[in-house]
Amino acid sequence: QVQLVQSGAEVKKPGASVKVSCKASGYTFTTYGISWVRQAPGQGLEWMGWISAYNGNTNYPQKLQGRVTMTTDTSTSTAYMELRSLRSDDTAVYYCAKMGSSTSVFKSADWFDPWGQGTLVTVSS
Amino acid sequence: EIVMTQSPATLSVSPGERATLSCRASQSVNSNLAWYQQKPGQAPRLLIYGASTRATGIPARFSGSGSGTEFILTISSLQSEDFAVYYCQQYNTRDTFGPGTKVDIK
Repeated sequence: QVQLVQSGAEVKKPGASVKVSCKASGYTFTTYGISWVRQAPGQGLEWMGWISAYNGNTNYPQKLQGRVTMTTDTSTSTAYMELRSLRSDDTAVYYCAKMGSSTSVFKSADWFDPWGQGTLVTVSS
Repeated sequence: EIVMTQSPATLSVSPGERATLSCRASQSVNSNLAWYQQKPGQAPRLLIYGASTRATGIPARFSGSGSGTEFILTISSLQSEDFAVYYCQQYNTRDTFGPGTKVDIK
């Protein structure tokens, strides 16, 4: 079955960077896009961006431009999300998600299925 | 950016009753609308995409309707495992989520 397994929880100081991994299995990695979504404690879902696992194209919301970088390693079917210049309000659970349709290798908007289990990133001095 | 709103914020329902959740988009998203269920400590789970297509393995008591700017998720007869938070998401232009509706036990 399709599965996304994320790396473990992280604790970082303000100003540091974090890199979260997301290993995919159960499907051909390069035929779908991957998106990242975060959820602050007790809050809703925020889309962080998309990467095409086919050609590496990315799309980020303006709010995170310059601080976030998404990459993939097709040899290991793994996606990565790096967030820099961390602040306390970056404390959240970070999810990767496989996008729903094969056209997601070319466009950033799609439904998400399935999701990884989530990675808690805590930013604290 | 397309803004999604959901109502009500909290819905109190008795087991076996029908639940109707609403989602509204600030501009037309056609039928590019998905619904997710999230339980405490878990990742969201896809229920509906394309406004009305049930995802694989989703029970028939979940149904979605609507297009354009107004959407509805209906749970025909609530089971104990259905008490959760439900989010809508538009994917017509980038991706944005609604703030969620919490369905709790009456």
